[in-house]
Amino acid sequence: DAGVTQTPRHEVAEKGQTIILKCEPVSGHNDLFWYRQTKIQGLELLSYFRSKSLMEDGGAFKDRFKAEMLNSSFSTLKIQPTEPKDSAVYLCASSLWDQDTQYFGPGTRLLVL
Amino acid sequence: QQKVQQSPESLIVPEGGMASLNCTFSDRNSQYFWWYRQHSGEGPKALMSIFSNGDKKEGRFTAHLNKASLYVSLHIKDSQPSDSALYFCAVSRMGYKLTFGTGTSLLVDP
Repeated sequence: DAGVTQTPRHEVAEKGQTIILKCEPVSGHNDLFWYRQTKIQGLELLSYFRSKSLMEDGGAFKDRFKAEMLNSSFSTLKIQPTEPKDSAVYLCASSLWDQDTQYFGPGTRLLVL
Repeated sequence: QQKVQQSPESLIVPEGGMASLNCTFSDRNSQYFWWYRQHSGEGPKALMSIFSNGDKKEGRFTAHLNKASLYVSLHIKDSQPSDSALYFCAVSRMGYKLTFGTGTSLLVDP
């Protein structure tokens, strides 16, 4: 079974650039999540989709972060413009339904200079 | 809003020893409890779930849940170097998404 795939695995951006991270969830899963992980804040939810509909678009992240589900098997997270404080690991996860196991991708490590 | 706290922040145990990880949560209506494990360079993976009060054992791993005390724990018996990882507690209830804890970093010293 193919798990969650994320590309790229590493990204280096200059401050002010636009970057797009990609995620392919497990086939057949209805829920998709984007998280940001840092040592200080831990796992923070950025966006949550159910059957392609945006259910939650995390508060403080709204202004520069935009997640989309183009179809049931592909999602993007756009950060525009990037700032050095955005340096973190961005994780995508999917699950069958909201109380089921979440399956995580390997993450994209973003460094903003 | 659900608050999930884990302790200790980091833990070192000798190979073959017992590791005990703790988690407290704030929502008394919480129903579903998960432990996730994350090895360096990978995404978190679900280790085990527990939904009823008491103990649940899966191999070397035992989860304990006490909903009245707002407490869940994970015990790893006969710890192996491959158990060295970041462990997350995650809590939810019907209609609400998972809330992850702050994480415990476990190092098993060979």
